[in-house]
Amino acid sequence: EIVLTQSPGTLSLSPGEWATLSCRASQTIRNNFVAWYQQKPGQAPRLLIDDASNRATGTPDRFSGSGSGTDFTLTITRLEPEDFAVYYCQQYGTSPALTFGGGTRVEIK
Amino acid sequence: QVQLVQSGAEVRKPGASVKVSCKASGYSFSGSGISWVRQAPGQGLEWMGWISAYNGNIKYGENFQGRVTMTTDTSTSTAYMELRSLRSDDTAMYYCARCPGISGGRADYWGQGTLVTVSS
Repeated sequence: EIVLTQSPGTLSLSPGEWATLSCRASQTIRNNFVAWYQQKPGQAPRLLIDDASNRATGTPDRFSGSGSGTDFTLTITRLEPEDFAVYYCQQYGTSPALTFGGGTRVEIK
Repeated sequence: QVQLVQSGAEVRKPGASVKVSCKASGYSFSGSGISWVRQAPGQGLEWMGWISAYNGNIKYGENFQGRVTMTTDTSTSTAYMELRSLRSDDTAMYYCARCPGISGGRADYWGQGTLVTVSS
């Protein structure tokens, strides 16, 4: 089973700042099949990025994904108030089996 | 538009079973699969398993093998997840999510969640 480790656990930032979230896999992810999700309190997760760097429909361009192999990054430029949430990475290189990372909380400083 | 509407909240006693439904609309149900994901209070996301509405193929997560059954009814575009031998640590929000294509993958649309509470 591929284990995904997200860091940091919590990121304290101000609106307008950049956020860099890391997702590290215990082994190489086939075809860089990594997705990123945003979850706000009381809501279901929302797909932001798939295939490591492809923005899902409706994802603002301030969100970008990058990385390959075992190291992946979600970058949020110019944080907006609505971006403060929890972010999860997921690998689907072993699909249909999936694995989620433990999440990174982006909170207002 | 794609929608997944789940059944309402459930309360069960330890040792009982629960069956959650997920009704899909706005896309070809048989052309995709459904993953089930749960989230314990204040915790992260845990993948439970996936079922193909195309051919009925199933993959269960190791933590749920032997205790979960996933099914689909293509005539009503509905997916079901039954979890048996419930324990207090099964208390969680349970989500269904569409995985486009026929072999699983990322989840692009999610249901609103069904809260299952296990308490004596």
